[in-house]
Amino acid sequence: DAGITQSPRYKITETGRQVTLMCHQTWSHSYMFWYRQDLGHGLRLIYYSAAADITDKGEVPDGYVVSRSKTENFPLTLESATRSQTSVYFCASSPGGEQYFGPGTRLTVT
Amino acid sequence: AQSVTQPDIHITVSEGASLELRCNYSYGATPYLFWYVQSPGQGLQLLLKYFSGDTLVQGIKGFEAEFKRSQSSFNLRKPSVHWSDAAEYFCAVGHGNQFYFGTGTSLTVIP
Repeated sequence: DAGITQSPRYKITETGRQVTLMCHQTWSHSYMFWYRQDLGHGLRLIYYSAAADITDKGEVPDGYVVSRSKTENFPLTLESATRSQTSVYFCASSPGGEQYFGPGTRLTVT
Repeated sequence: AQSVTQPDIHITVSEGASLELRCNYSYGATPYLFWYVQSPGQGLQLLLKYFSGDTLVQGIKGFEAEFKRSQSSFNLRKPSVHWSDAAEYFCAVGHGNQFYFGTGTSLTVIP
């Protein structure tokens, strides 16, 4: 089906573990984004990508790594998870104007 | 600096009453403006967008918004609220990688 999907939807991991959150879109949108949403902080941009092989930092990039080898995929990796990275993570894609959001991944770091 | 302000953190309305959610922005260029809705446990869904042209834009679920350049505002309205409209609403401005969200307005609908 067309759209933007995220996996897993829920994840529990331990401090220090590496975790990868997946994002896939079927529209061939140029732009893709990763946000985290926390109470009291709203949506904060972690990383974005303007095209395949082009990525850049957002507001809160520390502790995260992204890659974009294909237009449709934009995985987010937490290299060594910390409790402060417990959050809901949203991926979005955009043709250049409006953004379209995935359903989110709820990540808990214990 | 570019920014979006939603001055109302929380609004409560009665079912059937009219609704207006405020949004003010600061943006250096001609803005692209958006409203999103987020139900609990869900992602953000695009309600409507303004790029150019008619300053009154219609969206999904009976919502509309009016762009007022002189006031740097893009307020969201609905003439009659339904209980299912209870959600978080976000205003946003920008395009490409320059995209800014407001902090959201939580809407409660009472019967």
